[in-house]
Amino acid sequence: NAGVMQNPRHLVRRRGQEARLRCSPMKGHSHVYWYRQLPEEGLKFMVYLQKENIIDESGMPKERFSAEFPKEGPSILRIQQVVRGDSAAYFCASSPKTSGIYSYEQYFGPGTRLTVT
Amino acid sequence: AQSVSQHNHHVILSEAASLELGCNYSYGGTVNLFWYVQYPGQHLQLLLKYFSGDPLVKGIKGFEAEFIKSNFSFNLRKPSVQWSDTAEYFCAVHFTGGGNKLTFGTGTQLKVEL
Repeated sequence: NAGVMQNPRHLVRRRGQEARLRCSPMKGHSHVYWYRQLPEEGLKFMVYLQKENIIDESGMPKERFSAEFPKEGPSILRIQQVVRGDSAAYFCASSPKTSGIYSYEQYFGPGTRLTVT
Repeated sequence: AQSVSQHNHHVILSEAASLELGCNYSYGGTVNLFWYVQYPGQHLQLLLKYFSGDPLVKGIKGFEAEFIKSNFSFNLRKPSVQWSDTAEYFCAVHFTGGGNKLTFGTGTQLKVEL
């Protein structure tokens, strides 16, 4: 069973460019979560999606950030006009079921380390 | 606001020493609790979880954790650490009524010396 896949693993962008981070959930998982980890901090929730729906985006910055999980293909986290403060590790997780306690059990990908120069 | 705190940011132990990492949360309602581990260069892996039942839960690699509801705590323990346990450990809490997201502590970097 392939785990959660994220690419690229490392991404360097200049200020003002766009960053696109991709996440493929585990096989059979239909829910995806994005978290951000800033240096010396824990993971902070950004957004929770299921196919073609954003369920909870309460942790997503209001500007420049967007996420999608189309019917076909990976989930995409998009950061427009990146700034130095966006430099962080971005982790994607997926969960196995749509309801019940096991929907809270999340499996993480290896992360994308974004560096903004 | 609901939060998770891990008191020890860096811990250094010798092999065979016992380990206890603290985790506390602030919330009076029902919670689901997790410990994740991140080995150097690898992704987060689930060590153990608590949903209900016996408050002492056993996970992989000899780790266990005890949920003490009155203390709002879920401390991670291992009787005898190995060099290969060197990693960062994260406590995570799912607060019921707060959607499906997990709230993480800031992590504890554990270094085990030979």
